[in-house]
Amino acid sequence: GDSVTQMEGPVTLSEEAFLTINCTYTATGYPSLFWYVQYPGEGLQLLLKATKADDKGSNKGFEATYRKETTSFHLEKGSVQVSDSAVYFCALMARGGSEKLVFGKGTKLTVNP
Amino acid sequence: EAGVAQSPRYKIIEKRQSVAFWCNPISGHATLYWYQQILGQGPKLLIQFQNNGVVDDSQLPKDRFSAERLKGVDSTLKIQPAKLEDSAVYLCASSFRAGPDNEQFFGPGTRLTVL
Repeated sequence: GDSVTQMEGPVTLSEEAFLTINCTYTATGYPSLFWYVQYPGEGLQLLLKATKADDKGSNKGFEATYRKETTSFHLEKGSVQVSDSAVYFCALMARGGSEKLVFGKGTKLTVNP
Repeated sequence: EAGVAQSPRYKIIEKRQSVAFWCNPISGHATLYWYQQILGQGPKLLIQFQNNGVVDDSQLPKDRFSAERLKGVDSTLKIQPAKLEDSAVYLCASSFRAGPDNEQFFGPGTRLTVL
């Protein structure tokens, strides 16, 4: 079945450091790919998405590119801030059939001043 | 615009007891989802409604879990009887329609502890 694998956390960085959180997926066909974020004490919210190969999703300085050849959707940010501390979830949604979100396990990011 | 509302926020019960969670989606959203998030894991879809009809309940443990969506708006999720492994956060989400082009908006969740 469809699945998402994220890099294990937790990840701890200093402010202004470069961030990469790896995400790879297994799916039939060409799914849409998502990154969700959960800030402390808040609900899950969509951070960015990409719906086809080579698409780049971006939001709040974060970027991720849909790589069909490597089945990956790595999340990157050039300079993290303390306010980026949160849990990040990679997810996919296959087209057709049951269009449900399948999530990875999440990666906890802590950014220190 | 009001977000997805859930209640209660926290619930502690003994195993074999029953419990119910309530969700009020964003107004006008036809699609409603219930997810189970066990500590250290990502959310897992339990059931998806389109208006008041079930679209997907393939991962709902139907021997103990049930859900309904009253008049296509509010929804309740029930567990009877609860097991220790049901300890998790139960998330409700809604979207205007189903599919990848329609963002799912999540509520704050209900944290269930089964003792």
